[in-house]
This record gives sequence, C-alpha cells and structure tokens, in this order.
Amino acid sequence: QKEVEQNSGPLSVPEGAIASLNCTYSDRGSQSFFWYRQYSGKSPELIMFIYSNGDKEDGRFTAQLNKASQYVSLLIRDSQPSDSATYLCAVTPLYNQGGKLIFGQGTELSVKP
Amino acid sequence: NAGVTQTPKFQVLKTGQSMTLQCAQDMNHNSMYWYRQDPGMGLRLIYYSASEGTTDKGEVPNGYNVSRLNKREFSLRLESAAPSQTSVYFCASSVNRGMNTEAFFGQGTRLTVV
Repeated sequence: QKEVEQNSGPLSVPEGAIASLNCTYSDRGSQSFFWYRQYSGKSPELIMFIYSNGDKEDGRFTAQLNKASQYVSLLIRDSQPSDSATYLCAVTPLYNQGGKLIFGQGTELSVKP
Repeated sequence: NAGVTQTPKFQVLKTGQSMTLQCAQDMNHNSMYWYRQDPGMGLRLIYYSASEGTTDKGEVPNGYNVSRLNKREFSLRLESAAPSQTSVYFCASSVNRGMNTEAFFGQGTRLTVV
C-alpha cells in the first residue's frame, strides 16, 4: 500500500463549479499535509499546508484535514480554466524524520470553459 | 532570487553510462531532496538530506547515490544507468522548521536512458 493515495483522475469540472480533490494516508502519526499544484512540464508549487484538524481557507482554496479518518482534501471554489493542472498531496511522517516529504500520485484536474 | 537550480535540464545516456545531477539552493535551507516523476506515479522520493553531512534513503533509492557536499549542494549520481531510470528528476529544498516543511523545487532534469 502506498503511503499517500490520490485518485489519478482526470477530474473534469465546469468553470465556476467546486472541484474536490481527495487524499488518504497510511501513517497515522503523520504531522503536516501539503497541497501542490503542477502545470504540465513545470515544477510543483505549494498551494497550502495544514496540520490541525478542520478547515483552512486561503482565497478560493480550502484544505480540510481529518486525522481520525486519515484524510485530507482540497476544495477549489469558482474553478477557472487556469486551475487545470495536476494536484499533488504530500505528507510528512511521524517525528518529521528530517523533513521527509512523501507525495501521492497526483490528481489531474481539467476545468472546462 | 535563483532558488533551487538543477543542471543539466536535459540528458540522454546510453545504458551503463554514469552521470551526476547537480543541485544547489541559495535559500539557506536545511533539508534537500531528490525525486523522480514518472507518468501516473506522482513524485517518488529517492534520497533526502536533513542537514549537511546526513543522507537517508527514500522510497526508490536503488541504483542511485547522493552526496550532500555542503549546505547548498546535493548531488544525485547514477553509476550505471538503466532504461528504467528514464524519468524527470526534481531536486527540492525546505527550511524544515517545526511543522513547516514547505519544499521549493528546481526546474527538473529530463533524463532518457537508451
């Protein structure tokens, strides 16, 4: 079992809709959780990080963390065609382990005009 | 700001050849990483370094070696390249302070082994 799992997609949503991206992780002691966005042919860039249970909002993006269910999600409100990219979930393990950062396989999002 | 710089950007190797991918960061970060990215596989951690002088294996270390030359530089070596090592390689660094391990990535190296 991979440590961090995501649906590979593609996930297709119409412009203006809410896109919901999901991620589960196997290490119950995982501490910090990150969402990265990667455009085709480019490097990943950080969108948000979260480490407490609940919701964290930043503009059109909301990260949700449920440690009991080992589940983290990213909601994108008012989706735009420019949001079309691959979204990568990343996790740091128990005790941080020197900043070890494990990624999921990514979910490809397509926002249709 | 340069951030994380990787060289080269593209490379073609023949099976059995060796090469070293170079990575340098100018953000005074403690931790550095090497990942490979294959279609549908996300980013897989090859090796990481929590601080100067330390290195640890990640998810897919076989066939690779690394050197943390100093705080700025972290190199990845392929001693005998194989077609299975054809991939895009990313170097990254993070400040690794408390809960914050936000990683910044280089532009990637596209490696083809024929």
